[in-house]
Amino acid sequence: GEQVEQLPSILRVQEGSSASINCTYENSASNYFPWYKQEPGENPKLIIDIRSNMERKQTQGLIVLLDKKAKRFSLHITDTQPGDSAMYFCAARGSALGRLHFGAGTQLIVIP
Amino acid sequence: GPKVLQIPSHQIIDMGQMVTLNCDPVSNHLYFYWYKQILGQQMEFLVNFYNGKVMEKSKLFKDQFSVERPDGSYFTLKIQPTALEDSAVYFCASSWDRSNTEVFFGKGTRLTVV
Repeated sequence: GEQVEQLPSILRVQEGSSASINCTYENSASNYFPWYKQEPGENPKLIIDIRSNMERKQTQGLIVLLDKKAKRFSLHITDTQPGDSAMYFCAARGSALGRLHFGAGTQLIVIP
Repeated sequence: GPKVLQIPSHQIIDMGQMVTLNCDPVSNHLYFYWYKQILGQQMEFLVNFYNGKVMEKSKLFKDQFSVERPDGSYFTLKIQPTALEDSAVYFCASSWDRSNTEVFFGKGTRLTVV
């Protein structure tokens, strides 16, 4: 299977708190896991990614964790700001030909 | 940063007509992709393209769909004939290679088939 499940579908948090989004994947050969942020009418933009040779990566208030055994990866946004409000998509690349499988997306709403 | 440009941003077309969606990938990229996104849903892979050939396609890439990139010009997705269920946002994407580098997405073309 190639499915990527993403939860929650909607996430409301208070400004300054943290937000967590979780994804699971089926293909144990998946080796690249990007996270995209998409604002209305805009293109999805890569915000952070992790490869299968790592378990944790952090950059500018974003943390991604990868648990290959459980086939689970997650995005954690620390100190959320109103500008973080957007759709977030996780994805997994399992195909040797580059195809990305996307989760269904999480609508993050940061309440001022 | 690197940009993928898509033309047009919106297209309304009568069912049964042909439509061509155009994409200008990042200039030194070698791998090109089309994804389809119905409003509020996830992006779904249609096809990837390298060295003038389709490398992989999904079940959504129906016989009515075709892609090409003649001589380094636009990478195009053609739908002929269009059906109502083809209404969606179509995202073009490109990457330098197929496994280790970032995939850049365009802003999408919103296709409405009426």
